[in-house]
Amino acid sequence: DGGITQSPKYLFRKEGQNVTLSCEQNLNHDAMYWYRQDPGQGLRLIYYSQIVNDFQKGDIAEGYSVSREKKESFPLTVTSAQKNPTAFYLCASSTYRGQVVYGYTFGSGTRLTVV
Amino acid sequence: AQKVTQAQTEISVVEKEDVTLDCVYETRDTTYYLFWYKQPPSGELVFLIRRNSFDEQNEISGRYSWNFQKSTSSFNFTITASQVVDSAVYFCALSDRTGTASKLTFGTGTRLQVTL
Repeated sequence: DGGITQSPKYLFRKEGQNVTLSCEQNLNHDAMYWYRQDPGQGLRLIYYSQIVNDFQKGDIAEGYSVSREKKESFPLTVTSAQKNPTAFYLCASSTYRGQVVYGYTFGSGTRLTVV
Repeated sequence: AQKVTQAQTEISVVEKEDVTLDCVYETRDTTYYLFWYKQPPSGELVFLIRRNSFDEQNEISGRYSWNFQKSTSSFNFTITASQVVDSAVYFCALSDRTGTASKLTFGTGTRLQVTL
């Protein structure tokens, strides 16, 4: 079945270390996204990518970096510059069919704890 | 700027009661999509519905129904005869298209607790 795979499910890192979260999709979707969720909050957009080798900042990009070398993959690196990295991270993908947004699908998330 | 407001932070009902979750949005776009997602305790986001701005027809799917009113910028969600399995956080979201991408702006969510 098609879907989005995020790994790992739980991640613990020491303060000051960079960490990379994996996101892979086999839905053949053009666009991919990273969202962050804090307790009791909605999701906020970190970065998104429309095509391979292209990505744009979302609302809270500071302290994060991404790459899109393959259509299927959109890894997120949480750098030491991110002041409060402990959060739940969700990857998503979507496409358009004509003018209709289609298949906005989320992965199961990675819960990052920085100690 | 886009904005989604879910004024109800938490709702508690007894099983079999009907419950309505409110969603009010702000956008300057004439074409947009509205979504509802369910987030159970496990954390994943489960897609419930997508509605485009040109379709104000109400929709019913089993025990779920949605009332989209462009005049009041609202997209409310009703669960009929609630069940314990409906307990979750529900998010309303508004899309903003950029090329092939559709960025979502989420509300802060409504936590629904259904008890026996």
